[in-house]
Amino acid sequence: GNSVTQMEGPVTLSEEAFLTINCTYTATGYPSLFWYVQYPGEGLQLLLKATKADDKGSNKGFEATYRKETTSFHLEKGSVQVSDSAVYFCALSPTSGTYKYIFGTGTRLKVLA
Amino acid sequence: EADIYQTPRYLVIGTGKKITLECSQTMGHDKMYWYQQDPGMELHLIHYSYGVNSTEKGDLSSESTVSRIRTEHFPLTLESARPSHTSQYLCASSAGQPLGGGYTFGSGTRLTVV
Repeated sequence: GNSVTQMEGPVTLSEEAFLTINCTYTATGYPSLFWYVQYPGEGLQLLLKATKADDKGSNKGFEATYRKETTSFHLEKGSVQVSDSAVYFCALSPTSGTYKYIFGTGTRLKVLA
Repeated sequence: EADIYQTPRYLVIGTGKKITLECSQTMGHDKMYWYQQDPGMELHLIHYSYGVNSTEKGDLSSESTVSRIRTEHFPLTLESARPSHTSQYLCASSAGQPLGGGYTFGSGTRLTVV
């Protein structure tokens, strides 16, 4: 079946540090992949997406590349800010048969000034 | 600016009360979803709808019910609230495949049953 595995948090970094949050997936076919961010007290917001292999999604300095050979979609940012403190969710949209996305368990990021 | 609206944002209510959590979207999306989010952050799908008069139970069993009489409106009802229903409830919508645009989430309703 389809599944998403995210690295466990919390992840604590100093401002301007490099960020990587790992995400791997299991799916048949060619799913679309997403990263969502949830700030305290809010719903989830779409951060970036990739719909086919080797696509790179990017937004607000965050990047993730759809790697089919390693079934991964790791989130990266070169220099984090305090305002990036949030919970990050990796998600998968199956190729067909269902519109229900598969979400990872979320990774909490805390950035210290 | 949010295109999907949830009300109320916060609700504290006594045990046994009936409550309805509202969710409306202005994007014309056919697909809508309700998630329950536990304190550990994990999302659990409790209901979904693929169109008017279509509703299905999600992966997590829930005592709540939903209705979809209009495309834009997807309310969730608890007939008799209990402390175990205390949680964050998130509503989402999507245009569905093949557009693959992702879900749009509301800001959530934080429910506390005392």
